[in-house]
Amino acid sequence: ILNVEQSPQSLHVQEGDSTNFTCSFPSSNFYALHWYRWETAKSPEALFVMTLNGDEKKKGRISATLNTKEGYSYLYIKGSQPEDSATYLCAFYQGGSEKLVFGKGTKLTVNP
Amino acid sequence: KAGVTQTPRYLIKTRGQQVTLSCSPISGHRSVSWYQQTPGQGLQFLFEYFSETQRNKGNFPGRFSGRQFSNSRSEMNVSTLELGDSALYLCASSLMQGNTYEQYFGPGTRLTVT
Repeated sequence: ILNVEQSPQSLHVQEGDSTNFTCSFPSSNFYALHWYRWETAKSPEALFVMTLNGDEKKKGRISATLNTKEGYSYLYIKGSQPEDSATYLCAFYQGGSEKLVFGKGTKLTVNP
Repeated sequence: KAGVTQTPRYLIKTRGQQVTLSCSPISGHRSVSWYQQTPGQGLQFLFEYFSETQRNKGNFPGRFSGRQFSNSRSEMNVSTLELGDSALYLCASSLMQGNTYEQYFGPGTRLTVT
């Protein structure tokens, strides 16, 4: 059974703080790692799809890194804003499994 | 470009009934995946359809089934509903089969089984 772990489960930060959270996944037969942002009452929105070890991707104040050999990815938010409040999901695709396995997410709350 | 649409948005059914949920993908997208989310759980993969064929299936009982039409629209059916089927059902479309492509999610259908 594939297990994708995200930590922390929830996080409260002040506006302007930078923050990061972790996604851990099996290191064998890696194929792709996805990050999504899910705001309340909206649909999950794709942030990044990462496929190569050492990949770093950036979108505005949000960036992500990938280490496939040790099985983790970090998501960073620089200078958090209240509109960054959402649940951040990662999803792992292992070659041969033919499906995305999602973690339970990290719920981020940014207080003004 | 219009996003992924799902109908209905909310549904209340009683145990033993069956239900059909519909998903229209983004125009040009050929892959549609379905997910279930229950409280405290991550998104659980149900199945993926590509070019009218079910490509992959998650660990759900046979009561859960689906299909895809030639226009890529997809339906999901749950028969003999149980209380535990109460959940948010999300569909997602992507350009191609396989999971190196971003998935675009619909707003979901909230199913309540009483």
